Amino acid sequence: AQKVTQAQTEISVVEKEDVTLDCVYETRDTTYYLFWYKQPPSGELVFLIRRNSFDEQNEISGRYSWNFQKSTSSFNFTITASQVVDSAVYFCALSEARGFQKLVFGTGTRLLVSP
Amino acid sequence: EPEVTQTPSHQVTQMGQEVILRCVPISNHLYFYWYRQILGQKVEFLVSFYNNEISEKSEIFDDQFSVERPDGSNFTLKIRSTKLEDSAMYFCASSDPDNPFFGPGTRLTVL
Repeated sequence: AQKVTQAQTEISVVEKEDVTLDCVYETRDTTYYLFWYKQPPSGELVFLIRRNSFDEQNEISGRYSWNFQKSTSSFNFTITASQVVDSAVYFCALSEARGFQKLVFGTGTRLLVSP
Repeated sequence: EPEVTQTPSHQVTQMGQEVILRCVPISNHLYFYWYRQILGQKVEFLVSFYNNEISEKSEIFDDQFSVERPDGSNFTLKIRSTKLEDSAMYFCASSDPDNPFFGPGTRLTVL
């Protein structure tokens, strides 16, 4: 069975601090996808990144970066120089790499960035 | 940019009533999904739909729920007799072989 664990329920930082959101996953599949979504207070799910299990390269997109380590089954997300607009709930998710991709979500981490 | 749309954005209903939540997936996508998020909790898979039939469903998706693609564009979720615990945000998603795209959600409130 697939499982995603986000142990950090809530994180509070002050603007311009760096923050890392942890994600640990479990799967028996050798091929799978990992995702991060942002859920702002308005409620929609905003896609941030998809990573397949064969690509362990770290990715950077502006202030966002992701560290994928198969050896520890982790896919952590770092926001550099956080801003108030980064305040949201962030979900990590996992899917099998098949045609239809049921996502298994973690419980989310609420990030509060204060000015 | 193509997007998944959902209507209504907010639905209030009385316990025991039937509700239909509507979704318009991205036009060339073949896989469709419904997810549910109870307030403050994680997003949970309900059902996936492919080739005009359910391909997978979760334990949550019991006989009170049904899905339909009545025409070439809409994808609906029906709850026959709503319960208080059905109050949640319902997300529709569609996917190409690579990425699922989520709609903005319908907030269902059962009184």
